[in-house]
Amino acid sequence: QSVLTQPPSVSAAPGQKVTISCSGSISNIGNNYVSWYQQIPGTAPKLLIYERNERPSGIPDRFSGSKSGASATLGIAGLQTGDEADYYCGTWDSSLRSYVFGSGTKVTVL
Amino acid sequence: QVQLVQSGAEVKEPGASVKVSCKASGYTFSSHYMHWLRQAPGQGFEWMGVINPGAGTTRSAQKFWDRVTMSRDTSTSTVYMELSSLRSDDTAVYYCARGMSYIEANRLDPWGQGTLVTVSS
Repeated sequence: QSVLTQPPSVSAAPGQKVTISCSGSISNIGNNYVSWYQQIPGTAPKLLIYERNERPSGIPDRFSGSKSGASATLGIAGLQTGDEADYYCGTWDSSLRSYVFGSGTKVTVL
Repeated sequence: QVQLVQSGAEVKEPGASVKVSCKASGYTFSSHYMHWLRQAPGQGFEWMGVINPGAGTTRSAQKFWDRVTMSRDTSTSTVYMELSSLRSDDTAVYYCARGMSYIEANRLDPWGQGTLVTVSS
């Protein structure tokens, strides 16, 4: 059972936008930065978004992040077939003193 | 560039131990905490623990506190994670991931390529 809650799947047509929610509590998202990771099956996760809405070098600005209270959202604009992957939110939990993740959301490009 | 390279796949019998290595390059080894995580087949990620490569201090998740040992070799910029008393539900891909200069990670980047550990008799 994951500490953070994500929808199991989202889908949209190429060029459209999808959003993925990540719900937590004051001890994790409420008081810490959220990161978002992309995992293409069979490969290691890749950092997409960190801190308020920062992107590592090489990550296009089609990917964006936001946070409000104890919830966070990842947005993917201009959806491409190469965006089909599993997406995970993650953050530090100050009560558990451990890094926690969402259960993952599968993005399908119709 | 910052890179983490892990050791190869392992097959172990129940009750045995496994030791996975993670060699870091491209940055000052002692400057960032290193985290260990795992992903069971078809599942999400589970945080196992973290090591301060400079001081050698560790913190493990309560679930693993009595079975996991993390260590490091500063001469080779390598961290290790040993899991003992293996069970079939320990079958997973194990990852190392670089954290921050302090234990409370606000991001994990980069990740190693993963090491598949299969526990089977």
